[in-house]
Amino acid sequence: DAGVIQSPRHEVTEMGQEVTLRCKPISGHNSLFWYRQTMMRGLELLIYFNNNVPIDDSGMPEDRFSAKMPNASFSTLKIQPSEPRDSAVYFCASTPGTSLFFGPGTRLTVL
Amino acid sequence: AQSVTQLGSHVSVSEGALVLLRCNYSSSVPPYLFWYVQYPNQGLQLLLKYTTGATLVKGINGFEAEFKKSETSFHLTKPSAHMSDAAEYFCAVTSTGNQFYFGTGTSLTVIP
Repeated sequence: DAGVIQSPRHEVTEMGQEVTLRCKPISGHNSLFWYRQTMMRGLELLIYFNNNVPIDDSGMPEDRFSAKMPNASFSTLKIQPSEPRDSAVYFCASTPGTSLFFGPGTRLTVL
Repeated sequence: AQSVTQLGSHVSVSEGALVLLRCNYSSSVPPYLFWYVQYPNQGLQLLLKYTTGATLVKGINGFEAEFKKSETSFHLTKPSAHMSDAAEYFCAVTSTGNQFYFGTGTSLTVIP
């Protein structure tokens, strides 16, 4: 099993640009989560999907953030426009119902 | 509501010494409990989990944790620390498999 796949692994962009992070969950997992990790705030849940439907997006910081899951094997997290304070590592995780399996993360730097 | 408290954001031990990382949880329903490890510049990796049954759970890399309902604790231990154990450790709880609550993490330093 390839595990949770995230792309890109690193992204450097300028303030104001649109950023799209991608995630492929483990096949058969019915829930997908997006987390953000920073030194200051630790690990924060942004949004999670169950059977491709967004269940809880209360952690999405602002309207600049949006997430989609068009099918069971793909999800995106978009930031538009990006700001320097969005710099963080973004993790995608999936679960079949008990344990969470994390991807390697996308390190985003907004200049 | 559920929550996790990890006591001690930084723990230092000598190589070969006992590792003890503390985790207390709050849950109104029977919990599933987890320990994850994060090495520098990597994602979180599952160390071990408790769902039901035996309260002493063994995980990878020689780690184990004991679920103590009366103390609402799930402390992580390893008899002898190795340099490669230096990492960030996260305790987590869920009851539904949808809402996972993570602690703030404990950074483990192993002194040679």
